[in-house]
Amino acid sequence: AQSVTQPDIHITVSEGASLELRCNYSYGATPYLFWYVQSPGQGLQLLLKYFSGDTLVQGIKGFEAEFKRSQSSFNLRKPSVHWSDAAEYFCAVAVTSGTYKYIFGTGTRLKVLA
Amino acid sequence: DTGVSQNPRHKITKRGQNVTFRCDPISEHNRLYWYRQTLGQGPEFLTYFQNEAQLEKSRLLSDRFSAERPKGSFSTLEIQRTEQGDSAMYLCASSKDSSYGYTFGSGTRLTVV
Repeated sequence: AQSVTQPDIHITVSEGASLELRCNYSYGATPYLFWYVQSPGQGLQLLLKYFSGDTLVQGIKGFEAEFKRSQSSFNLRKPSVHWSDAAEYFCAVAVTSGTYKYIFGTGTRLKVLA
Repeated sequence: DTGVSQNPRHKITKRGQNVTFRCDPISEHNRLYWYRQTLGQGPEFLTYFQNEAQLEKSRLLSDRFSAERPKGSFSTLEIQRTEQGDSAMYLCASSKDSSYGYTFGSGTRLTVV
């Protein structure tokens, strides 16, 4: 069965520090992978997506993610975190037959210390 | 591009009442999705429309739930005889085709008291 695991429920980093949020997926075919960010009480905003090609993808707000097929991972990174990055981050895999519905992980809540 | 609009933003209802939510997708997007998000969880798929056709429904969508998308434009999600377990954020998303990431609305937060 398809699934997405985000092992870290909470992460705290200092402003200016680097960030890596982990995501592991289970999917039989070539995955379409996404990272979304959600601020409190808001909907989800797309940060970046991977469909094929270059395994390092760039997104908005200075985020990037690397697809590693051998590790079934799609980790999100940012070299220098800003206080405004505090939010919840969701990794998702698309079921690429028919609906393209997404299976989301449970999310990682990021806290940024000033 | 005005984004995906959801109304209302918040709804408080008494157990047993019916509620209806509306989603207006981005105008050229033919795919529309409803998701439910409970506290501390990621969104879970409820149902999918391609134009006006409802092509998939999750087992989460009990017979108290119904969704429509008349004329392939806006969509409504109705919950009949609400239960406390229906309390959640209901998210709508739209997409132009399968190669796009979704655009999500801001959601409707339902509280059943």
